Amino acid sequence: SQQGEEDPQALSIQEGENATMNCSYKTSINNLQWYRQNSGRGLVHLILIRSNEREKHSGRLRVTLDTSKKSSSLLITASRAADTASYFCATGTGGFKTIFGAGTRLFVKA
Amino acid sequence: DTEVTQTPKHLVMGMTNKKSLKCEQHMGHRAMYWYKQKAKKPPELMFVYSYEKLSINESVPSRFSPECPNSSLLNLHLHALQPEDSALYLCASEGGRTDTQYFGPGTRLTVL
Repeated sequence: SQQGEEDPQALSIQEGENATMNCSYKTSINNLQWYRQNSGRGLVHLILIRSNEREKHSGRLRVTLDTSKKSSSLLITASRAADTASYFCATGTGGFKTIFGAGTRLFVKA
Repeated sequence: DTEVTQTPKHLVMGMTNKKSLKCEQHMGHRAMYWYKQKAKKPPELMFVYSYEKLSINESVPSRFSPECPNSSLLNLHLHALQPEDSALYLCASEGGRTDTQYFGPGTRLTVL
């Protein structure tokens, strides 16, 4: 079964608005990562947050992690049309096994 | 160099064909992965080679067989595939136990 479940499944916003995506998972993790995938291409690693961290920033990205609720959120501020892509959370439990969530499809309208 | 390369980019094959997908990285990573991704779905792990040891997703059929000639190369041999095997096949590598993976652009496979 999927470790990570994401919502919403799809999100459509105007350029300049913020986009928030959520991820929930079921078991204990070492870290949680977010990846972006443009249509039909490989995934690009965005940010990793460790289980002992609560918040992390990278440019316009802000990730939070709540291990008590087994959930994470990805916030993209001041979105751009180029941010249009699918976003996946992925949980790392060590042992070279990463499980991806179902993904959120983000569409940013210019 | 943080690039993972995959060849070919596109492959169309019949159900009786034998073909191979290739993946290469020169980052010195000791773990490499094959994923299968259907449209609008997340990547599903097929195989992991970590420190030259193979781990298999038990649900992957035997018509897929991985090969790791050396720590920089990972092949996926395909034989007697079914139309439902049509998908994007992604290769990734990971350096150390960081859980951060670098993905190649993928091979779009169509089985007729």
